[in-house]
Amino acid sequence: GENVEQHPSTLSVQEGDSAVIKCTYSDSASNYFPWYKQELGKRPQLIIDIRSNVGEKKDQRIAVTLNKTAKHFSLHITETQPEDSAVYFCAARSGATNKLIFGTGTLLAVQP
Amino acid sequence: EAEVAQSPRYKITEKSQAVAFWCDPISGHATLYWYRQILGQGPELLVQFQDESVVDDSQLPKDRFSAERLKGVDSTLKIQPAELGDSAMYLCASSLPKTVGELFFGEGSRLTVL
Repeated sequence: GENVEQHPSTLSVQEGDSAVIKCTYSDSASNYFPWYKQELGKRPQLIIDIRSNVGEKKDQRIAVTLNKTAKHFSLHITETQPEDSAVYFCAARSGATNKLIFGTGTLLAVQP
Repeated sequence: EAEVAQSPRYKITEKSQAVAFWCDPISGHATLYWYRQILGQGPELLVQFQDESVVDDSQLPKDRFSAERLKGVDSTLKIQPAELGDSAMYLCASSLPKTVGELFFGEGSRLTVL
């Protein structure tokens, strides 16, 4: 069945450094790849997404890249700030079923 | 700004009891999802509705869980009987139908089974 793997599970960086989180997906019919940020006790909130017809998308300090051939996509956060500390989830949505499958999450800690 | 509404926010129950969660999606969102999130893990899809029809419930433990969306608007997820392993956050989300776009999540219902 569909599967999304996410690495690393935890990531600690110094304030101002960059952070990279990587995901791989199994369903070749996936055509939409969102990234969600979840703060402790709160709902997941979309921070950026990318569709399968695009290789890269950037929004201020956040960027996502997609390699459809390798079935990889990555989140890049530059100039990290303490408020970026949270759990980040990648996800992949099947164009065939509309089903959104989440990765296992990455706990990002930005040290001031 | 429109939001997905869920209730209750918190529920504590004893095992073998029945529990129900309610979700009201954003108006006009025909696709509704119930996810279960165990602490420290990613959300796991339990059931997906398109209007009042179930389009995927392959991960729903049907011996104890049921979900309905009778009029294609709000939805109820029920657990009977609850087991210790059901302790988790139950998240409802909605999206526009047949488009590739964002899922909007509710605040969730946190269940603790004692």
